[in-house]
Amino acid sequence: RKEVEQDPGPFNVPEGATVAFNCTYSNSASQSFFWYRQDCRKEPKLLMSVYSSGNEDGRFTAQLNRASQYISLLIRDSKLSDSATYLCVVGHNDMRFGAGTRLTVKP
Amino acid sequence: ETGVTQSPTHLIKTRGQQVTLRCSSQSGHNTVSWYQQALGQGPQFIFQYYREEENGRGNFPPRFSGLQFPNYSSELNVNALELDDSALYLCASHPGRGGEETQYFGPGTRLLVL
Repeated sequence: RKEVEQDPGPFNVPEGATVAFNCTYSNSASQSFFWYRQDCRKEPKLLMSVYSSGNEDGRFTAQLNRASQYISLLIRDSKLSDSATYLCVVGHNDMRFGAGTRLTVKP
Repeated sequence: ETGVTQSPTHLIKTRGQQVTLRCSSQSGHNTVSWYQQALGQGPQFIFQYYREEENGRGNFPPRFSGLQFPNYSSELNVNALELDDSALYLCASHPGRGGEETQYFGPGTRLLVL
């Protein structure tokens, strides 16, 4: 079983759509959780950290369920510029990445 | 920008050769991690250095080795290159010790092994 598993995707959605990404992790001792965004042929960049209480940053909402070892990312009112690969990242002594889910937002 | 730089940006090697990739972290970032990202995959953790000592290692063979220097630069060395080593190699740094803090990535080095 992979340490971090994500929806395989790809997701192709129209502008304005709401899209949700799911992620599960295997190490129950994991201490930190993140969503990173990676544009084509670029390095990953932090989108947001994920907290147990859930957190929101504009159109983006992240949720963490430690009991189920599950993380989610919700993007509302999708923009063309949201097209990218979204990486779920789980930290313990180091950081482990999921394979990523590609999102394409179309006009 | 993250302030993390990597060199070279691209590299072509042949099977069996050795390669050294370099990373320069932000001043004050005591931890550097190296990742391998194959096409269509997420980054895979290779190893992590904290204040010039290895502080964790992923599932990579010993021919992957590293160094970290006092001036916040680091190296990834790969011996006996294999075709499957073709990938994007990323370094990431952060100020603390643990790997669970937000990491700041460099732009990566694209390695092609022929």
